[in-house]
Amino acid sequence: QVQLQESGPGLVKPSETLSLTCTLSGASFSTYHWSWIRQPPGKGLEWIGYIFYTGSTTYNPSLKSRVTISVDTSKNQFSLNLMSVTAADTAVYYCARMPGVYGDYGLDYWGQGSLVTVSS
Amino acid sequence: QSVLTQPPSASGTPGQRVTISCSGSSSNIGINYVYWYQQLPGTAPKLLIYRNNQRPSGVPDRFSGSKSGTSASLAISGLRSEDEADYYCASRDDMSGPWVFGGGTKLTVL
Repeated sequence: QVQLQESGPGLVKPSETLSLTCTLSGASFSTYHWSWIRQPPGKGLEWIGYIFYTGSTTYNPSLKSRVTISVDTSKNQFSLNLMSVTAADTAVYYCARMPGVYGDYGLDYWGQGSLVTVSS
Repeated sequence: QSVLTQPPSASGTPGQRVTISCSGSSSNIGINYVYWYQQLPGTAPKLLIYRNNQRPSGVPDRFSGSKSGTSASLAISGLRSEDEADYYCASRDDMSGPWVFGGGTKLTVL
């Protein structure tokens, strides 16, 4: 059974870096894209970016200057770093799996989500 | 302001058929697949439809997707109370990319 679990601080101060980790169990990293998506409270979904198992990354242009996604296959984890956060970055952050070389099978497994609040 | 446009709300009675629309452009839906996700209250989204009209294993055939030009639709037949949720469309976007979501539609079962 494929499971994804987000972990990281629930509170981050403005201007600091938000760091989250997604731990994978029940599957390998091979041939999949691994995504981060966020959802501000009461609002819709926003794609942050994704990393292919080879390490190749693709980011949302609106966040690209502040985002880094990395993978550590030895730990079965991939991570999100979002720099210089503001209150607008307060959201539930989800990690998810996207099968296929071109990611054309949708986001088929999701973590339960991790609420990150940006506040001093 | 989402790149893909969905109605903010939709409603229906049990047993009814409802459709939710998703309007895009030539840089997204017009040339790429459409995906639909269901988000029950307090939970993570769940994949309902991929590649315009394909259902993942375990998704009831009451859910169906279609695409025409730069628009897409999700149809739910035999509406049930447990279908009450938020529904999101998504697609690749060659301009705003890599992927974009609609603003979501809140479905109420009356």
